[in-house]
Amino acid sequence: QVQLVESGGGVVQPGGSLRLSCAASGFTFSSYGMHWVRQAPGKGLEWVAFIQYDGSNKYYADSVKGRFTISRDNSKNTVYLQMNSLRAEDTAVFYCAKDPRGLGIASRYFDYWGQGTLVTVSS
Amino acid sequence: IVMTQSPATLSVSPGERATLSCRASQSVSSNLAWYQQKPGQAPRLLIYGASTRANGIPARFSGSGSGTEFTLTISSLQSEDFAVYYCQQYNNWPPLIFGGGTKVEIK
Repeated sequence: QVQLVESGGGVVQPGGSLRLSCAASGFTFSSYGMHWVRQAPGKGLEWVAFIQYDGSNKYYADSVKGRFTISRDNSKNTVYLQMNSLRAEDTAVFYCAKDPRGLGIASRYFDYWGQGTLVTVSS
Repeated sequence: IVMTQSPATLSVSPGERATLSCRASQSVSSNLAWYQQKPGQAPRLLIYGASTRANGIPARFSGSGSGTEFTLTISSLQSEDFAVYYCQQYNNWPPLIFGGGTKVEIK
């Protein structure tokens, strides 16, 4: 079955950096686009970034553009989110999520989610 | 695009019908998904394409609408259905936009 396991969260000071990882299994990872979605404590869901199955296209929310970078290693079945210049408002649980459509154009919704990893930005 | 969900909180008795609304500030065609999230858990996909149930989703969940007005109906609430529900548009992107959520609580 599909499994997505995030790691790399923790406490970081404002202005600091953190790299999140999401290890995937149970499907042909190299064929599917992947997303990151976050949820601030007690708040709703916010889409963060997307990477196409082959890494050729990447899209970001305006709130993270220029600070966050999504990448993937298909040989390791892992997607990453490099987060730089972190701010207090980036404090959230970060989920990786799978796009349902294999190859080609993304479906742009999320059929499987990981359990999330908590990022806390605080001095 | 702004996605507005109403009501913010819905109090329903088990066995009753629940109707949740999601409105888009401009047309999103049928490119609308619904998710369920329980406390401490990741969201779960319920509906995509405005009305297609995802794999394993019970038939008591149904979605309808197109354009700017959408509805998620739970025909007979079970105890496991008390949760927060989010709609999400995927017609125009980036970005992908969620609604603010509707909490379905026990009356």
